[in-house]
This record gives sequence, C-alpha cells and structure tokens, in this order.
Amino acid sequence: SQELEQSPQSLIVQEGKNLTINCTSSKTLYGLYWYKQKYGEGLIFLMMLQKGGEEKSHEKITAKLDEKKQQSSLHITASQPSHAGIYLCGADISWGGGTSYGKLTFGQGTILTVHP
Amino acid sequence: DTGVSQNPRHKITKRGQNVTFRCDPISEHNRLYWYRQTLGQGPEFLTYFQNEAQLEKSRLLSDRFSAERPKGSFSTLEIQRTEQGDSAMYLCASSLVRGSGSGANVLTFGAGSRLTVL
Repeated sequence: SQELEQSPQSLIVQEGKNLTINCTSSKTLYGLYWYKQKYGEGLIFLMMLQKGGEEKSHEKITAKLDEKKQQSSLHITASQPSHAGIYLCGADISWGGGTSYGKLTFGQGTILTVHP
Repeated sequence: DTGVSQNPRHKITKRGQNVTFRCDPISEHNRLYWYRQTLGQGPEFLTYFQNEAQLEKSRLLSDRFSAERPKGSFSTLEIQRTEQGDSAMYLCASSLVRGSGSGANVLTFGAGSRLTVL
C-alpha cells in the first residue's frame, strides 16, 4: 500500500485543457513537494507547500495544500505538450508524531500525456 | 556547479555480480539521499547521510546493499551478489539542511543510474 496516494494514475488530455492531480495522505503532511519526471530521468522540483491552506503558482501550474494538511492538488491551466511527464508528490510524513526531518516519501506518480 | 551527478548512467550485469554506483552531490549540500525507483512506481527511500554520518537505513536495504559517504562529499552505493529483483533506477539526491532539519528540505535529484540484472 502507498502511504501517499496519487490520483489519477494516468491522464490523457488535449492541448489547452485544464487538469488536476491529487495527492492524499492518511497522516499529517509536514511538507509537501511536487516534482516532475521525464521517463528515464531524474526528478525536477516544481513547488513546495508547508502551511495548511497554502497555495503557490508557477507559470501555468498551481499547487494547494488543504487546511488539514492531508491532501494536496496540482492544477495545470491550458495544458501544453511540454507539460507531459510523470508528476510525483513527495511528503515529509510523520508516523510517530512530528516531522521525519526531511526524508521524503513519494506517491506512485501520475503519468500525464498531452495531445497537440 | 552542475548539480547532482551520478555514474554510471546505465549498468547491465549478470546475476551474482557486484555493482557500485557513485553520486556527486551539490558541493555545499550536507544531506545526501539514495532512492530506488521501479517502473510505474515512485521513488522508495533507501538511506541518507548528513555529512559523513549515515542517519537512517530503510528495511529495503538488505545486507547486500552498502552505502558510504567517506568524507561527507561523494557517496557510493554498492550492491553485492546482484539479483534480478535489484533491477531498478537508483536515484541520488542532495539538500542543504540547517539546524534540526525540521524545516523545508528541497531535494535536488541526479539523473539516476539504471541497473539491469540479467
């Protein structure tokens, strides 16, 4: 089982469409990080959220962390082929209470395909 | 600084052989992490170092796996007596953590070392 659940597992959209990817944890998230990965390559950092209710945007990508700090969403507006790839959420999850001090646990990833 | 560098990028080996991967982190980073990623899955934590001290090891890291960071700079991950189940992408990441490390910790990843065990 995954400590962090991402949905959907895969997404195919037409260029120009909006889309949302979700990341859910059963534990409190002390830090939530979104990364993008191209197949066979390393992870590229997108955004980090720490406070409940926090929202950050970069270009056409917006990420939010809900008030209870157990779910995050990544929203892409007017998708482009350059947005295609695997989106991964990573989190500092506490299992015994308190932060795990920077060790990140990752979801299984969401594969995004954007058709021109 | 060119980021996190991993070598080799690809390694094909026969079952039972030993392999070693090297990671050169961003020079000013004090934390170094090793993750393993299999197809269709997110990265799984293996181990991490703060400077030269190995602070945590996952249960995934069997006795055949050993990681070192002898001078607090580069790190090596060795797999002895490889098995087909070891086939995966091995990712290294580094970060700069100040104080207790309970604050933000953005990991910078390398491109990974892909291992194929025949």
